[in-house]
Amino acid sequence: KAGVTQTPRYLIKTRGQQVTLSCSPISGHRSVSWYQQTPGQGLQFLFEYFSETQRNKGNFPGRFSGRQFSNSRSEMNVSTLELGDSALYLCASSSYTDYTDTQYFGPGTRLTVL
Amino acid sequence: AQSVTQLGSHVSVSEGALVLLRCNYSSSVPPYLFWYVQYPNQGLQLLLKYTSAATLVKGINGFEAEFKKSETSFHLTKPSAHMSDAAEYFCAVRGIKTQGGSEKLVFGKGTKLTVNP
Repeated sequence: KAGVTQTPRYLIKTRGQQVTLSCSPISGHRSVSWYQQTPGQGLQFLFEYFSETQRNKGNFPGRFSGRQFSNSRSEMNVSTLELGDSALYLCASSSYTDYTDTQYFGPGTRLTVL
Repeated sequence: AQSVTQLGSHVSVSEGALVLLRCNYSSSVPPYLFWYVQYPNQGLQLLLKYTSAATLVKGINGFEAEFKKSETSFHLTKPSAHMSDAAEYFCAVRGIKTQGGSEKLVFGKGTKLTVNP
């Protein structure tokens, strides 16, 4: 079974621009979560979607948004990029039938904001 | 609110020595606990998880962890370190909502393991 895939793997943007990152979960998984990883703050939860509905949300400004499609693929968008948004963005998927909601991670998208 | 503390941001061991990575959690209800490993430029890979079925949990690559409720700990161990174990390790906790469903996954800051030849 194919793992979680994220596109693109690397991205360079400038301040003020916006960016959209994509995540395709493991086949059959209906939950997708997004995390931001930085050396200073570590792994921080952004949001979680299940069946196109946001189930949990982290403490990030409204510039960070996400959505999930009917095929469970998810996108996250960051508008008006700031230098501090440079990070590795990780997507994880989990199965509704796994009561522990074990999350399986993709390789991440490395975003650099100049 | 749930939280995770990993003691030691860097741990260095010799090849063949015992690996012990410490994790303490805070949760109002018995949580699910996880250990993940991250190799350079990669995502996180699940090593093992505690789901209340057994307090001693065995994972991949020879790692295991023991859930100790009285100490609110979930330390990760491996009897004999291998060079390929060099990576960053993350402990994570996921609580259960009283009204059903699960809380968000909360990660510790991570422990970078170095294995010396």
